Amino acid sequence: GAVVSQHPSWVICKSGTSVKIECRSLDFQATTMFWYRQFPKQSLMLMATSNEGSKATYEQGVEKDKFLINHASLTLSTLTVTSAHPEDSSFYICSARDRSGSMKEQYFGPGTRLTVT
Amino acid sequence: KNQVEQSPQSLIILEGKNCTLQCNYTVSPFSNLRWYKQDTGRGPVSLTIMTFSENTKSNGRYTATLDADTKQSSLHITASQLSDSASYICVVSLSWGKLQFGAGTQVVVTP
Repeated sequence: GAVVSQHPSWVICKSGTSVKIECRSLDFQATTMFWYRQFPKQSLMLMATSNEGSKATYEQGVEKDKFLINHASLTLSTLTVTSAHPEDSSFYICSARDRSGSMKEQYFGPGTRLTVT
Repeated sequence: KNQVEQSPQSLIILEGKNCTLQCNYTVSPFSNLRWYKQDTGRGPVSLTIMTFSENTKSNGRYTATLDADTKQSSLHITASQLSDSASYICVVSLSWGKLQFGAGTQVVVTP
């Protein structure tokens, strides 16, 4: 089946620093990737939609200057949390939409646990 | 307002027993409905995906049903195993591809 990887799987950083998270579709091409954030015991919340070669579309309330998204190729999207603060600590999950297939299935990555101290 | 509501919020079942999770939605226009399993600290994994014309779909011990008229879906787990302990999320896809997530049902299977 389709595989989406994320790197790193967990990261601890100091307040004020920036952190980059990578999302890769390993065996399919994804013109669209999605970034979600999940707080404990809550469901996934969509942050932004990333289309290859164009600017990301951010959901209401998500600061685009704080959460920088780059989708440089059909298999890679990156999320950079700039000037991280403790309230940015969360579980970040990406998903990639397989551009082939009628269902346009989304495959989720394993997630990245970010802890800001 | 597009909503996806799941019940119960959590449940505990004995290993080997069956259970059924519910999902009601008001999402429109509807494209398809998905059930995902999410282990703690992991990303969601797809169990089933159904269009409005499908009433039931199985994946091993997981069977999902869909009633598009009443906008209800269920996920039935047969002969539960300890590894079934996870959060089960009902997700409805809008016609333009955006996903609407339910809050999930936390299932705990005990020996």
